Amino acid sequence: GQSLEQPSEVTAVEGAIVQINCTYQTSGFYGLSWYQQHDGGAPTFLSYNALDGLEETGRFSSFLSRSDSYGYLLLQELQMKDSASYFCAVLYGNKLVFGAGTILRVKS
Amino acid sequence: EAGVTQFPSHSVIEKGQTVTLRCDPISGHDNLYWYRRVMGKEIKFLLHFVKESKQDESGMPNNRFLAERTGGTYSTLKVQPAELEDSGVYFCASRGLAGVGNEQFFGPGTRLTVL
Repeated sequence: GQSLEQPSEVTAVEGAIVQINCTYQTSGFYGLSWYQQHDGGAPTFLSYNALDGLEETGRFSSFLSRSDSYGYLLLQELQMKDSASYFCAVLYGNKLVFGAGTILRVKS
Repeated sequence: EAGVTQFPSHSVIEKGQTVTLRCDPISGHDNLYWYRRVMGKEIKFLLHFVKESKQDESGMPNNRFLAERTGGTYSTLKVQPAELEDSGVYFCASRGLAGVGNEQFFGPGTRLTVL
């Protein structure tokens, strides 16, 4: 089966940089996605890596290394509003297979 | 553009009762997905519609769950009879043909509690 591992919680201070790792034991997927979910809200798409390497979108960057079965989400210049849950997910055909999510707490 | 909407936002029912969840996808999105998150665990795929056809229902837990998408617009997910382990947040997502890497647009979810 497919499984993705993420840290359950990460805490960082406002203005800092934080990296949320995602390791997986699976293969044959199309790409790695990241979703953000604020409490009680809808998961929202952040990024997608189809190929190895770094994808940058503003303060957020995502990285994938298929040879290392590893990816990460990098958040720079952290803001209080970045406090949320972050999910990595691999794309199999049309369906997403998610990790259990990482709760990010940003402190002032 | 309106996003994906789900109804109800919360539902509390007793074991053995029936509950029907509704999802209205983004207008024009042919692809509609149902997912479920049980307390603190990963968001798990349930099934995928393309228009009114079930493309993949490999994630449906058992035959107590029935999903429909008549006319290829909104979708319903019925749980009958509900069991305690069905408690969780049920998400619906939709996707059009364009977009980045199969970006799926999620609704806010229905929180189902079975007592």
